[in-house]
Amino acid sequence: QKEVEQNSGPLSVPEGAIASLNCTYSDRGSQSFFWYRQYSGKSPELIMSIYSNGDKEDGRFTAQLNKASQYVSLLIRDSQPSDSATYLCAVGNFNKFYFGSGTKLNVKP
Amino acid sequence: SAVISQKPSRDICQRGTSLTIQCQVDSQVTMMFWYRQQPGQSLTLIATANQGSEATYESGFVIDKFPISRPNLTFSTLTVSNMSPEDSSIYLCSGGDTQETQYFGPGTRLLVL
Repeated sequence: QKEVEQNSGPLSVPEGAIASLNCTYSDRGSQSFFWYRQYSGKSPELIMSIYSNGDKEDGRFTAQLNKASQYVSLLIRDSQPSDSATYLCAVGNFNKFYFGSGTKLNVKP
Repeated sequence: SAVISQKPSRDICQRGTSLTIQCQVDSQVTMMFWYRQQPGQSLTLIATANQGSEATYESGFVIDKFPISRPNLTFSTLTVSNMSPEDSSIYLCSGGDTQETQYFGPGTRLLVL
């Protein structure tokens, strides 16, 4: 079983819609949770970090964490074509960080 | 946030040779990691670079093949030894503090012929 699971996609949404990206993890002792965005040919760029249950909002992005269900999600409101990228979920447990395989998002104009 | 630079940005190497990749952080960080990313794939953790001690390697990666140094809290190197075409990949370093954010360098694109 992989440490972090993501649907590889691609997830296609029209411009202006809400994109919902999901991630599950296996280690109940995980402490920190991150979403990274990676454009083709570029290195991952941090979008959001979340450490406690509930929602965390930053501009058009909302991260949601449910530790009981071992589930973390990222909502992108008012999706733009520039949001088209691969989104990586990362889970940290003290000195270890594990990445999911990423979900490719396509936002159609 | 931490700004991370890597050298070289890319290289083409002959099989059997070795390449050392440098990673520099603009501030002191507790944790530094080295990853490998094949085209279209996610990141695979190679090892945790520990300051002043031997690196901690993930399953499938060994020190003889990927020796790592970390002489201080801002700098680390990864060497890819005795390279083969299967080592062609993007190598990324990251830095940050435990429980906090990991920031990535721009990556080193390696092609082994």
